[in-house]
Amino acid sequence: QQQVKQSPQSLIVQKGGISIINCAYENTAFDYFPWYQQFPGKGPALLIAIRPDVSEKKEGRFTISFNKSAKQFSLHIMDSQPGDSATYFCAAWGNTDKLIFGTGTRLQVFP
Amino acid sequence: ETGVTQSPTHLIKTRGQQVTLRCSSQSGHNTVSWYQQALGQGPQFIFQYYREEENGRGNFPPRFSGLQFPNYSSELNVNALELDDSALYLCASSFGQGVKETQYFGPGTRLLVL
Repeated sequence: QQQVKQSPQSLIVQKGGISIINCAYENTAFDYFPWYQQFPGKGPALLIAIRPDVSEKKEGRFTISFNKSAKQFSLHIMDSQPGDSATYFCAAWGNTDKLIFGTGTRLQVFP
Repeated sequence: ETGVTQSPTHLIKTRGQQVTLRCSSQSGHNTVSWYQQALGQGPQFIFQYYREEENGRGNFPPRFSGLQFPNYSSELNVNALELDDSALYLCASSFGQGVKETQYFGPGTRLLVL
């Protein structure tokens, strides 16, 4: 119930392509869904977040799509760049003050 | 950079020893959360401190303990270290309870237990 399942585990995309990472959850009490980007040796940095009353949120090249009925959400990175190469975590936050993280997706963008 | 600092950056300990990790929260933030990130995994919530009181705890044994000071900086203490405690320990600061949008992470302390 407290899990957030994330896929794929790793992703290789060519420069300019679209990167898509998917997450699913069970707990309907979750009401805030952030995505974090983590570079080696650094802490996670908040990338973009969405609440379940919105089906899509876009910030620059990054878009979250949210399907409340399916309890799924995804991150789309348009025009992927080598600088986007990092590990991406989806997360969920409900009525407790703790973030539940997915297992992470290692994205590699090749020129 | 988030303004959240952690020390030390790296640490090597042996099994059975005790360790203290430190975190300075971002200016204006009064809540600190600690997470353990094992290699290749997502961060796992350890506990949170709000105004010097523990406010929620994850599935970690009592040998993981913490403290928050009046200036809102925080310590994570781990007693009787085990090999599986080897991980990146992250702290995140935020303002207030339940204010989800402002949680910012520090760079972490990498602990290796031999």
